[in-house]
Amino acid sequence: GAGVSQSPSNKVTEKGKDVELRCDPISGHTALYWYRQSLGQGLEFLIYFQGNSAPDKSGLPSDRFSAERTGGSVSTLTIQRTQQEDSAVYLCASSSDPGGSEQYFGPGTRLTVT
Amino acid sequence: AQSVTQLDSQVPVFEEAPVELRCNYSSSVSVYLFWYVQYPNQGLQLLLKYLSGSTLVKGINGFEAEFNKSQTSFHLRKPSVHISDTAEYFCAATGTYKYIFGTGTRLKVLA
Repeated sequence: GAGVSQSPSNKVTEKGKDVELRCDPISGHTALYWYRQSLGQGLEFLIYFQGNSAPDKSGLPSDRFSAERTGGSVSTLTIQRTQQEDSAVYLCASSSDPGGSEQYFGPGTRLTVT
Repeated sequence: AQSVTQLDSQVPVFEEAPVELRCNYSSSVSVYLFWYVQYPNQGLQLLLKYLSGSTLVKGINGFEAEFNKSQTSFHLRKPSVHISDTAEYFCAATGTYKYIFGTGTRLKVLA
């Protein structure tokens, strides 16, 4: 079956522009997660969705970052007024177990802010 | 609070030699433990996981790991590596829902 997909795979944007990153989880997975992978910071948790609700947004680095999930499926991570430090690979994962016993990761979106 | 430590940032090893990648965790609650592999420009692929039961866990590509509660470790081993094992390996732990990752170990297999 299809795995987690993310689009675009690469995104280059100018500083100050807004970007939207999309995640399509595995069908039927109720839990969805966003992580960021950057040099010097490793892999860090951003936000967790259970269904359409986000009970944990604690990892979002600033109020420029937001995310939503609709229909218990697709999620969009939006970064407003991008900064160079936002350059990273953004990974999405989904799980059928809200306890997170196994998360399946997408290939990521590489964001470069120039 | 949970944390995951991967003691080695890089591990060079010759082809067909054994390898051990070290991972220690700290947690006040029961944890699930994972090893993921990331090949260049690709996402994370699950190698193996410990949820409960037997402390020796076997995964894909000939890898295995042993959960040691007293030493709070979950080291990854392979008895004989191949060139194709060259990649970055991440240890992760979760006691709730979000993963805490180690900083990664870059395994470089030499011919």
